[in-house]
Amino acid sequence: DQQVKQNSPSLSVQEGRISILNCDYTNSMFDYFLWYKKYPAEGPTFLISISSIKDKNEDGRFTVFLNKSAKHLSLHIVPSQPGDSAVYFCAAIPRNQFYFGTGTSLTVIP
Amino acid sequence: DGGITQSPKYLFRKEGQNVTLSCEQNLNHDAMYWYRQDPGQGLRLIYYSQIVNDFQKGDIAEGYSVSREKKESFPLTVTSAQKNPTAFYLCASSNNEKLFFGSGTQLSVL
Repeated sequence: DQQVKQNSPSLSVQEGRISILNCDYTNSMFDYFLWYKKYPAEGPTFLISISSIKDKNEDGRFTVFLNKSAKHLSLHIVPSQPGDSAVYFCAAIPRNQFYFGTGTSLTVIP
Repeated sequence: DGGITQSPKYLFRKEGQNVTLSCEQNLNHDAMYWYRQDPGQGLRLIYYSQIVNDFQKGDIAEGYSVSREKKESFPLTVTSAQKNPTAFYLCASSNNEKLFFGSGTQLSVL
């Protein structure tokens, strides 16, 4: 059973606008979350992380929000750029295992 | 440069053949992982190793085998028992906070 879920397989956004990618998890013991970005035929690269002791973490254009009561996190990209077009995976780390969502393919339209 | 090297980039397997995918890291990480990505799907864990000479099955270990004789190396063998081996294979290592991925190997069946 999928413990980390990304229910939107794809998202299209106009350049300059905000992109919001969502992720839900089922296990309340998960305490550390990451977002990865992946281009076709390449390995994923780390974007941003958040610990469960925080509800927000910001790094430049990227902000991750965590709502523990709802078991939900989201990645905001502002402003979106064409180079942001990629597949984005959220992941949770309980005890050195990494659980990944199925990914959301983001297309930023110039 | 420090990182994870996967080889080959592309690999073709004949019916009934075993093939081995190479993964080497010089990041001095204890933990290493193998994931499989299928089109439109997320990253599924095949095997992982927390320390030399020890490894555990992930969610889809059937038809695969691994070894961890050295800290730097974690090769994955796709055996003839794996009936649907065509996929993009990703190796990763971890510093317990995040995963660092290689560039992947695309395996196809002839």
